[in-house]
Amino acid sequence: EPEVTQTPSHQVTQMGQEVILRCVPISNHLYFYWYRQILGQKVEFLVSFYNNEISEKSEIFDDQFSVERPDGSNFTLKIRSTKLEDSAMYFCASSEALRLSGGETQYFGPGTRLLVL
Amino acid sequence: GQQLNQSPQSMFIQEGEDVSMNCTSSSIFNTWLWYKQDPGEGPVLLIALYKAGELTSNGRLTAQFGITRKDSFLNISASIPSDVGIYFCAGPPIQGAQKLVFGQGTRLTINP
Repeated sequence: EPEVTQTPSHQVTQMGQEVILRCVPISNHLYFYWYRQILGQKVEFLVSFYNNEISEKSEIFDDQFSVERPDGSNFTLKIRSTKLEDSAMYFCASSEALRLSGGETQYFGPGTRLLVL
Repeated sequence: GQQLNQSPQSMFIQEGEDVSMNCTSSSIFNTWLWYKQDPGEGPVLLIALYKAGELTSNGRLTAQFGITRKDSFLNISASIPSDVGIYFCAGPPIQGAQKLVFGQGTRLTINP
């Protein structure tokens, strides 16, 4: 069964450093997403991406964040200068299409645990 | 923004018992998704609901889309140890939204 994959599974970085989190969405999916989950809290939306551009983003997704689809398979999240509060699990998700009512079923990857020291 | 409230926050049950949890919102949702998350893993989709009143099963799991479109429930029958985890409801906060908002989760613990 096709699945979303993410690398690395864990990343430890120093405050102020840049990190790039990588995702390979399900191959025939067209919509891509990043979410984060701070330890013990609920999953929060960061950004959605379609047709090589950001289609929606949350207030969390500020200028320190960027996303890219550098080739036909990878989807990346870059945090330019990490802060302590960026420590969280980051999940990539993808969906095949977008329903008119919204909320097309999104399939999540296993996550990258980011720890900023 | 729109929020989803799940109850109970946690449940402690005996193996073999049935489980019922629900998710409510102050505003209408057009899609309800139920996910399960194991520790250190990503959310795994269990059931998707797209129509008010819809009742859908996936093995021992059954979920319903409330008639008012402001709630949904998930039932698990005859629980087994691998049902342990956190169950999240999720949905698009407005018509046509791409993002999902998540509830805070119901943590299920099973005593063998």
